[in-house]
Amino acid sequence: EVQLVESGGGLVQPGGSLRLSCAASGFTFSSYDMHWVRQATGKGLEWVSAIGTAGDTYYPGSVKGRFTISRENAKNSLYLQMNSLRAGDTAVYYCAREQGETGELDYWGQGTLVTVSS
Amino acid sequence: SYVLTQPPSVSVAPGQTARITCGGNNIGSKSVHWYQQKPGQAPVLVVYDDSDRPSGIPERFSGSNSGNTATLTISRVEAGDEADYYCQVWDSSSDHPGVVFGGGTKLTVL
Repeated sequence: EVQLVESGGGLVQPGGSLRLSCAASGFTFSSYDMHWVRQATGKGLEWVSAIGTAGDTYYPGSVKGRFTISRENAKNSLYLQMNSLRAGDTAVYYCAREQGETGELDYWGQGTLVTVSS
Repeated sequence: SYVLTQPPSVSVAPGQTARITCGGNNIGSKSVHWYQQKPGQAPVLVVYDDSDRPSGIPERFSGSNSGNTATLTISRVEAGDEADYYCQVWDSSSDHPGVVFGGGTKLTVL
């Protein structure tokens, strides 16, 4: 059974940093592209980053230069290093697996809440 | 950057057909994916590559994509279908290629 379990969320002050982790199991982690998607309370889904099997990374303009996605295949783990956090980064952060070649996300974790506040 | 436009809400009576649209410039040239999200839960993929269904998704869920509009169709709507629905594409055309989501549509079952 495919499982994705996020951890590392919490309360952080504006300007601070946080590192999220996603533990994957039930599939060959190294063979799949992986993503982070976030959702502020009462708002829609917002894509945050992606990493390919070769380590290629992708970000939207809103987080590029502040967030860094990485993976450690030996540990079946995905990470998101978040720096220079702002109030607008407050959201539930989901990790998700990309199924195929066109960006569809077939499995999602349950999310971890990040709150940026003083 | 590429923009996907969804109606904020759609209402339908049980047993009827719900159609949720997703507009984008020449979206017919892209592969569109659809997600269902119920309150307090993670999104679930219900249609991918315009019209394919993951295993375990009822045949009542179908999709189409042409021109500037993609459509998720839910036939014989049930109370349990009440949820938020999001369309999504991969945009490779911008300076920052990546995933784009529509704003979401709340489906209400009357």
